[in-house]
Amino acid sequence: TQLLEQSPQFLSIQEGENLTVYCNSSSVFSSLQWYRQEPGEGPVLLVTVVTGGEVKKLKRLTFQFGDARKDSSLHITAAQPGDTGLYLCAGAPFSSGSARQLTFGSGTQLTVLP
Amino acid sequence: NAGVMQNPRHLVRRRGQEARLRCSPVKGHSHVYWYRQLPEEGLKFMVYLQKENIIDESGMPKERFSAEFPKEGPSILRIQQVVRGDSAAYFCASRRDPGGYTFGSGTRLTVV
Repeated sequence: TQLLEQSPQFLSIQEGENLTVYCNSSSVFSSLQWYRQEPGEGPVLLVTVVTGGEVKKLKRLTFQFGDARKDSSLHITAAQPGDTGLYLCAGAPFSSGSARQLTFGSGTQLTVLP
Repeated sequence: NAGVMQNPRHLVRRRGQEARLRCSPVKGHSHVYWYRQLPEEGLKFMVYLQKENIIDESGMPKERFSAEFPKEGPSILRIQQVVRGDSAAYFCASRRDPGGYTFGSGTRLTVV
């Protein structure tokens, strides 16, 4: 079983602060995705990273895929209350072949206080 | 609305009843996935279907749970003789091959 561990599990910060969320595994993934989920809704895809060492920026969010394709990080600059939500990483293991079902991390619940 | 449509949004069942959860994928998407989420946890894969075929059901309990994706109509996740431990949010996702996933808003099942 391939596991994705996210840290921290909970994070509460003040508006304007920076933060980093980590997603780690002992397994190699063909790609890794980050989602944001709000209460009562399904996850919404933020980004997909495919290449080891890849860095993608989405406004104030920076995503990085580890060189060995086993880990990833999400960095938010100058967090805003609207960033509050559950952030989930999800990987597509090589072993899933064409099925590509996702393995999800347990999530990081971010609260940004005004 | 071009998204994944799930219904009902909320479902309450008594222990022993059957629960039927429906998922209409994005138009043109032939791959459907069902995931289950417990409170404050990530999503756990249950089953992957293509039209009229179950491709991978390794995450779905062998007893009481079944899924289908008929040629016409939505995908159905059926839970027979529900127990309190079945209470969770059930999410459906669809994708085109190749392509990314689109998730529905989920069905929140409560077993009383």
